[in-house]
Amino acid sequence: QVTLKESGPGMLQPSKTLSLTCSFSGFSLSTSGMVVSWIRQPSGKSLEWLAAIDWDGDKYYNPSLKSRLTVSKDTSNTQVFLKITSVDIADTATYYCARSCYSDFDYWGQGVMVTVSS
Amino acid sequence: DVVLTQTPPTLSATIGQSVSISCRSSQSLLDSDGDTYLNWLLQRPGQSPQLLIYSVSNLESGVPNRFSGSGSETDFTLKISGVEAEDLGVYYCMQATHAPYTFGAGTKLELK
Repeated sequence: QVTLKESGPGMLQPSKTLSLTCSFSGFSLSTSGMVVSWIRQPSGKSLEWLAAIDWDGDKYYNPSLKSRLTVSKDTSNTQVFLKITSVDIADTATYYCARSCYSDFDYWGQGVMVTVSS
Repeated sequence: DVVLTQTPPTLSATIGQSVSISCRSSQSLLDSDGDTYLNWLLQRPGQSPQLLIYSVSNLESGVPNRFSGSGSETDFTLKISGVEAEDLGVYYCMQATHAPYTFGAGTKLELK
């Protein structure tokens, strides 16, 4: 049974660094073709793909945010992390992690709401 | 970035009615490997998105076969043959052919 769950601070102040964790089970990120992505969704709006890390440790970023994003994974391949530096109000959103195996995005976490506010 | 244009933005349907949603891409989604990475997702109120269709027309495991996908290159369609109450929510197309991956603005399916 594949599950993913995001965790984060809930609220943080502008200019701070947002750190998110995606904890997953039921699959191995070391399996060829496996990718974990981060996607966000401001309230009432559509989805935005942010970053991804694949089974080989290769990292992919949305160019619009690339300078602020860092994606990584732990050595046990059960968690993926995302850091976003210099957050502002526009980063307020629900953040999801999702698994894909050759681009299908078949499993999503429940999402974690992040509010940027002073 | 690839822009995906979904129409209509809102769809009102009665139970049992068949409906279609269009997704048009600003460039071809045919990948160099021969596959077309166009997926359809449903987000029910208060829930995470769930995969319905992958690679244009492949039904995800566990998804009812009243859902079907078709299309090629830049024009794609999701069809629901007989809407049921559990189908209500926002439908998104997304492309995973060209980085960065992108999503359509969504089509909200409501009960008439």
